[in-house]
Amino acid sequence: GQQLNQSPQSMFIQEGEDVSMNCTSSSIFNTWLWYKQDPGEGPVLLIALYKAGELTSNGRLTAQFGITRKDSFLNISASIPSDVGIYFCAGANRDDKIIFGKGTRLHILP
Amino acid sequence: DAEITQSPRHKITETGRQVTLACHQTWNHNNMFWYRQDLGHGLRLIHYSYGVQDTNKGEVSDGYSVSRSNTEDLPLTLESAASSQTSVYFCASREDRGDEQFFGPGTRLTVL
Repeated sequence: GQQLNQSPQSMFIQEGEDVSMNCTSSSIFNTWLWYKQDPGEGPVLLIALYKAGELTSNGRLTAQFGITRKDSFLNISASIPSDVGIYFCAGANRDDKIIFGKGTRLHILP
Repeated sequence: DAEITQSPRHKITETGRQVTLACHQTWNHNNMFWYRQDLGHGLRLIHYSYGVQDTNKGEVSDGYSVSRSNTEDLPLTLESAASSQTSVYFCASREDRGDEQFFGPGTRLTVL
């Protein structure tokens, strides 16, 4: 079946640093999604990407839909304590199930 | 405001007991999903439904069942709970031809 490889599995960074994580797949997706899960909560959508090559920003977050449609990355600039959580990438094709990566757990050191 | 809720938020049960986790959404979405989240595995799909009376197995469906008698609810039943089913369970819903899934707050289930 379709699988997404998300890396890194976890990150430990200092407050103020930039963060980068990515997701690759052996399959093509028409849509890439990035979710964030706060501790004790369900995942919430951060950014949706619908077009190969698309670069989209949402505040300090920037995500790109790879040209091959098989990968995507998420960058967070100038991290702050509330950025802590698990970030999931997800790929989707119209009218089909959404496939989730295993998540990147972000820790911010004081 | 429309929302998706899960109950209970926490449940402790014993091996062999039947357990039902509730999921209710008020978006009128046809598509509903159940996932379990375990360390190292991310979100794994258990069952899903594309509408009333429709149910489908996901990648980890053994030991679980769902029923869809109305649009708003998709209860998840563990027929005979096992310790391997200790996990956090998330329900989600999605509109037709949409990509964004809205997740509930989760149910933490412990099977002793």
